[in-house]
Amino acid sequence: ILNVEQSPQSLHVQEGDSTNFTCSFPSSNFYALHWYRWETAKSPEALFVMTLNGDEKKKGRISATLNTKEGYSYLYIKGSQPEDSATYLCAFTGYSTLTFGKGTMLLVSP
Amino acid sequence: GAGVSQSPRYKVAKRGQDVALRCDPISGHVSLFWYQQALGQGPEFLTYFQNEAQLDKSGLPSDRFFAERPEGSVSTLKIQRTQQEDSAVYLCASSLGLLGKKYNSPLHFGNGTRLTVT
Repeated sequence: ILNVEQSPQSLHVQEGDSTNFTCSFPSSNFYALHWYRWETAKSPEALFVMTLNGDEKKKGRISATLNTKEGYSYLYIKGSQPEDSATYLCAFTGYSTLTFGKGTMLLVSP
Repeated sequence: GAGVSQSPRYKVAKRGQDVALRCDPISGHVSLFWYQQALGQGPEFLTYFQNEAQLDKSGLPSDRFFAERPEGSVSTLKIQRTQQEDSAVYLCASSLGLLGKKYNSPLHFGNGTRLTVT
């Protein structure tokens, strides 16, 4: 059983705050690490797919880093807005698996 | 273009009833996944298809769960003799990528089917 852990489980910040959360995954047999945003009443939407150790990706105010040797990825949101409120999921891909974490639920208050 | 479409969006079933959940993936997507998401949990893997071949069904919780993708496009997840613990959101996702390769293709999800067993 693969353990993909996300922390914190939930987070409540004020508009304008910057925030970050963590995804931990097995450091062996790594292929890719995915990040998804899942807004209420919508389907999960891909943010990033990362494959290389040390990789950094950015999409607007959201960025992510990857450390495959120690098995973690950080997702950062700069200057959070209420529309960033969602559950953020990471998924680890090994040879024949694609396993999701339980997600971090972010609430941004105006 | 059209995304992944799932139907029905909501399903209420009496305990013991059989249900069938449909997924229309994005045209040309080889890989198709089914996930079950219980309240407060992340998506849990159920099964994976590569074209019409069901390569992994290790996540199906019991032999009451059955999935098929006979022509390599539309997929159906069938649950026989539903139980209350089957209540969840069932998500379907498709992708251009193939598991077993360098899987760097994102998944495209449908809106899910919320199943409530009473």
